[in-house]
Amino acid sequence: AQSVTQPDIHITVSEGASLELRCNYSYGATPYLFWYVQSPGQGLQLLLKYFSGDTLVQGIKGFEAEFKRSQSSFNLRKPSVHWSDAAEYFCVVSGGSYIPTFGRGTSLIVHP
Amino acid sequence: NAGVTQTPKFQVLKTGQSMTLQCAQDMNHEYMSWYRQDPGMGLRLIHYSVGAGITDQGEVPNGYNVSRSTTEDFPLRLLSAAPSQTSVYFCASSTPPGGIYNEQFFGPGTRLTVL
Repeated sequence: AQSVTQPDIHITVSEGASLELRCNYSYGATPYLFWYVQSPGQGLQLLLKYFSGDTLVQGIKGFEAEFKRSQSSFNLRKPSVHWSDAAEYFCVVSGGSYIPTFGRGTSLIVHP
Repeated sequence: NAGVTQTPKFQVLKTGQSMTLQCAQDMNHEYMSWYRQDPGMGLRLIHYSVGAGITDQGEVPNGYNVSRSTTEDFPLRLLSAAPSQTSVYFCASSTPPGGIYNEQFFGPGTRLTVL
């Protein structure tokens, strides 16, 4: 069975600071991994995804994530956070099945 | 191109009432799904469909029914609403999972309260 852990419920950063959101997954083979962002009162939007190949993937809004098989991790990073990045972030694992597994989410708070 | 649309945006029901949440997409995606979002729980899959006429259960299907008569529409029916079904419901559509172009597109959500 696949699973996803986002160990941080809330993360607070100052505007302009760097950001790293953690994601650990469990899956028997090479997983399909995604990060989605949910702004308050909105639906979810895809930030980036990993299927295979280069382990550092670039996404929208200046985000990137690195797949580390040895650590079963897929952490999301941004070098300089903007106030508009305040949102809920979800890590998702899929084994190519029709039932993806969502993490519980990390709420990002950005201080001016 | 409207993407994924959901109606209504808000709904209040009494225990025992039934209702249908509507979902439509205009991207000609075969795969559609319904999720519920509860605080601290992430999104959990209720039902999904891999094409017109084909549906299957997700993680939390009890108390919900779906049907898929067209590619565009995927309504979710609550048969007899219970307070435990108070949640935010999201509909999503995508290309088939497992492919390099796979991405789910989400609707704006329906906030349901059952009294």
